[in-house]
Order: sequence, then C-alpha cells, then structure tokens
Amino acid sequence: KAGVTQTPRYLIKTRGQQVTLSCSPISGHRSVSWYQQTPGQGLQFLFEYFSETQRNKGNFPGRFSGRQFSNSRSEMNVSTLELGDSALYLCASSFPGQSYNEQFFGPGTRLTVL
Amino acid sequence: AQKITQTQPGMFVQEKEAVTLDCTYDTSDPSYGLFWYKQPSSGEMIFLIYQGSYDQQNATEGRYSLNFQKARKSANLVISASQLGDSAMYFCAMREIQGAQKLVFGQGTRLTINP
Repeated sequence: KAGVTQTPRYLIKTRGQQVTLSCSPISGHRSVSWYQQTPGQGLQFLFEYFSETQRNKGNFPGRFSGRQFSNSRSEMNVSTLELGDSALYLCASSFPGQSYNEQFFGPGTRLTVL
Repeated sequence: AQKITQTQPGMFVQEKEAVTLDCTYDTSDPSYGLFWYKQPSSGEMIFLIYQGSYDQQNATEGRYSLNFQKARKSANLVISASQLGDSAMYFCAMREIQGAQKLVFGQGTRLTINP
C-alpha cells in the first residue's frame, strides 16, 4: 500500500507570490490534515478536510486555504507569501473509524520564501 | 486548551542504553489520545506508539513503551536498548477524541545516540 505522497518536495518562492502544495492520502483514507513546522513555532495544525469539507481550522490567517477533491487528494494554497511562511508543510491522512485514528504523515514539502 | 510540554530540548545517550523522553500534557477533555512520533532529518513523521486515555495498560511497541501516569498527566516514552538509528527528533502529541483530526504537538526532544 502506497504511503502519503506530497508534491513538490522542495519549493522556492519570492515574497508576494502564491504557492499550491499537493497531498495524496493513503488509498481509502478520507481525512487529510495539514501542519506547518518551523523552528520557532514548532508543529502547528493548519486545517483538516474530510469528504471534501473543512472540518477544523487552526489559527492561521486567511492567506492559508485548502481544498479536498472527491478522490480525497488535497491541496493547500498560500497567497501573498511572506518570509515567515518558510517552513516544512506536512500532510497527514487517516481513516476515521479506527479506534485511535492514527495519522500517517507524508515526507513534507519544504517551502523557502526569499 | 490542549497543551503538550516536552522539557528536554536535547538528550545524549550511549548506544544500548535505555532512554526516557518526558512528556506532560494538559486537557479538560476526559477522552483523548497520546502519540509519539519520530522525525529523522529527512522530515517525515514516523508513528511510534499510542496511548488512549481509558487504556488500563501502558502501551508497548517493540522497543518502545509508554509510561502513562494519568493523574500526573504524564506520558513518557521509553526506548530500550537504544540504537544509532534512534537518533532523531521525537515529538509527543495529543488529540481529543471528540474533536477532528487535530494533533497538538510538543516542541520535541532531539535524541542523539553515541556509539
């Protein structure tokens, strides 16, 4: 069974640009969550999508948005990039219904904003 | 609000020794789950072990065990017989069962295993 895949793995953008990151969950998983990891703030929850609906959202500005498609693949978009958006963006998928809903993480997309 | 505290920024251990990584948590929800993840330098988060708030027994997974002390709100990870490949960042995380798939992470502990 293939794991969670994220594309691209590395990305370099400049301030003011926008970026779209993609996450393909494990087959059969319907929940996709996104996290931002920075040295200063650590790992922070961005949002979660389940069956194409955003179920939960973290404390991030509206520049951060996401969506989920009918095949459970998810994208997150960051508009008007700022230097502080440089981070490792991790996607995790899970199959709600299991007793503890383990989240399986992808390898991440490392975004650098210049 | 949920909170996870890992008080050890870094730890250095000799190979084959046991190591305990500390984690304390705070939540007002009686139903929650506690997770430990390993993050090598490659960046991927690797699931290690899970403990549910109502589980009577401490969780174990191979060389990993979780020392769960509910009254103290403590969920320490114990790695027995450490190996060089255990060198990585380790994160404790919590999820409230009734909530969505939102994990709250601690700041992590960087574990270095010395030969």
